[in-house]
Amino acid sequence: GAGVSQSPSNKVTEKGKDVELRCDPISGHTALYWYRQRLGQGLEFLIYFQGNSAPDKSGLPSDRFSAERTGESVSTLTIQRTQQEDSAVYLCASSLAGGPGTDTQYFGPGTRLTVL
Amino acid sequence: KNQVEQSPQSLIILEGKNCTLQCNYTVSPFSNLRWYKQDTGRGPVSLTIMTFSENTKSNGRYTATLDADTKQSSLHITASQLSDSASYICVVSSQTGANNLFFGTGTRLTVIP
Repeated sequence: GAGVSQSPSNKVTEKGKDVELRCDPISGHTALYWYRQRLGQGLEFLIYFQGNSAPDKSGLPSDRFSAERTGESVSTLTIQRTQQEDSAVYLCASSLAGGPGTDTQYFGPGTRLTVL
Repeated sequence: KNQVEQSPQSLIILEGKNCTLQCNYTVSPFSNLRWYKQDTGRGPVSLTIMTFSENTKSNGRYTATLDADTKQSSLHITASQLSDSASYICVVSSQTGANNLFFGTGTRLTVIP
């Protein structure tokens, strides 16, 4: 595709439910990133993939959060037993290669998660 | 502690006017600094990237400056347009560490007719 796509665009769930967010990076981009953006706040790094491996998971806020990437392409971010404080926009970005500080990251439109 | 601070938090200007957004950082060792524009409901889009040796970089009506000595950057927008209304995010990367990106909280710019 032409850019990074994310699905769903909006997700409303009940507290305690699990949710799965999907990211399709730009074709050929080996690096993929997940961020969280709470209302009115800056981006918060969650996890970074280089290929299918995640050299840095330090941003995942708790063990309820996990992510995987397959085929050096699509990635899913899973949040188990969602809490109200998980409500945020979850942004995915991809870059051609390199680490977080080297290449320009291209962002998807985000998934707005609301936990009731 | 590596931090990126932006000011003002929000700004309202008349269409056609110029404005300057500020970014101060304490990230070290410094690698590069990026300005992103984030329209409401969209992901951020890169405007400029500046390395240690660059003082000024332009992208159309956007001009970014960098003073690596004082660890300050500015984003100047000339002849503002309604479509410039967005959040502008300053992102500084460090040379070390796997998670080496540090984000400012952004400046919310509103251009009014």
